[in-house]
Amino acid sequence: GAVVSQHPSRVICKSGTSVKIECRSLDFQATTMFWYRQFPKQSLMLMATSNEGSKATYEQGVEKDKFLINHASLTLSTLTVTSAHPEDSSFYICSALPGGRETQYFGPGTRLLVL
Amino acid sequence: AQSVTQLGSHVSVSEGALVLLRCNYSSSVPPYLFWYVQYPNQGLQLLLKYTTGATLVKGINGFEAEFKKSETSFHLTKPSAHMSDAAEYFCAVSDRGSQGNLIFGKGTKLSVKP
Repeated sequence: GAVVSQHPSRVICKSGTSVKIECRSLDFQATTMFWYRQFPKQSLMLMATSNEGSKATYEQGVEKDKFLINHASLTLSTLTVTSAHPEDSSFYICSALPGGRETQYFGPGTRLLVL
Repeated sequence: AQSVTQLGSHVSVSEGALVLLRCNYSSSVPPYLFWYVQYPNQGLQLLLKYTTGATLVKGINGFEAEFKKSETSFHLTKPSAHMSDAAEYFCAVSDRGSQGNLIFGKGTKLSVKP
């Protein structure tokens, strides 16, 4: 139980294009989903918190217009990196929090490479 | 504000030896504490967690951790290392209680020598 998937697992795109990453909770409903990015040999940094049906809460320093988050249902959240640039290349990991629980379940991550 | 400090970015042990990964935290409220493991190019897998109750917590793969409030520590241990334990380990404290926001340490890479 408590499986979270991400799609795609790996994406390469040209600078200036937009990339959408999906995060799904497969066997539970997630009232809250989180998006993290992880640079090589570093820890996870929280980018934003999304609650189903409401606007995402972004951490300080994260551009909300660049990283668009949509949490349209209790099992799906999407992160769109708009007008991607090479410095956006990173490992993006989502997690989902079942309602009333304190444990986040993590997806396998999406490696984004912007050329 | 909450924070997590993991002492030692890299720990190397021999197969069969004791594993000890250190984690200290700071929190103005009773913390929820977690240990996650990350294998290369993968997401995080929960090893164990402390929320309330018993301070010695047992997790998967033979790992355990003890919450010591007086020392603000939550060190991860395993009596006997296995080659498959080689991975990156992250300690985390939950921010804002039940809302689940996590603050991560910088991680400790565990290497296991044959």
